[in-house]
Amino acid sequence: AQSVTQPDIHITVSEGASLELRCNYSYGATPYLFWYVQSPGQGLQLLLKYFSGDTLVQGIKGFEAEFKRSQSSFNLRKPSVHWSDAAEYFCAVGATGNTGKLIFGQGTTLQVKP
Amino acid sequence: DGGITQSPKYLFRKEGQNVTLSCEQNLNHDAMYWYRQDPGQGLRLIYYSQIVNDFQKGDIAEGYSVSREKKESFPLTVTSAQKNPTAFYLCASSIFAGSTDTQYFGPGTRLTVL
Repeated sequence: AQSVTQPDIHITVSEGASLELRCNYSYGATPYLFWYVQSPGQGLQLLLKYFSGDTLVQGIKGFEAEFKRSQSSFNLRKPSVHWSDAAEYFCAVGATGNTGKLIFGQGTTLQVKP
Repeated sequence: DGGITQSPKYLFRKEGQNVTLSCEQNLNHDAMYWYRQDPGQGLRLIYYSQIVNDFQKGDIAEGYSVSREKKESFPLTVTSAQKNPTAFYLCASSIFAGSTDTQYFGPGTRLTVL
């Protein structure tokens, strides 16, 4: 069965430090992969997505992610974190079949220290 | 402005009552989705609809019902059969039915059972 694992439930980084959020997926074919961000009490906003092509994907707010097929990973990175990046981050993979469904990981909460 | 609206933002329900959560989109998207979010569990799919007058159960449909009488509207009813309805509910839409693409999310409704 398809699944998405975000191994880190909670991460704390200092403002200005680099960030990497991990995402591992289980999928038989080439996956469609997404990263979303959620501020407290709000909906989800798309940061970036990977469908095909260049495995390094640029997104909004200075985020990027790299698709590594050999490791079944799609880790999210940012070179310098800002206090406003504190939020919950979700990785998702498109489900098989023509349903349009997404399967989400459990999320990683990012705390930024001043 | 195009987008997804959910109302109300907060909803309180007494045990044994049915309540309906509203979701409207003016993006002209074909597909719409309802998710439930609980702390530490990510997003779980309740129902989805790819076309007017048709919808399918997601992973946790028990105790919920939906309708899709208009393309822009996809209301969710939480029935008294739902044993633990207190949660944050998110509605989403995507442009095409039957294909994986970005889902756009509304701001959510927080339901509390008193």
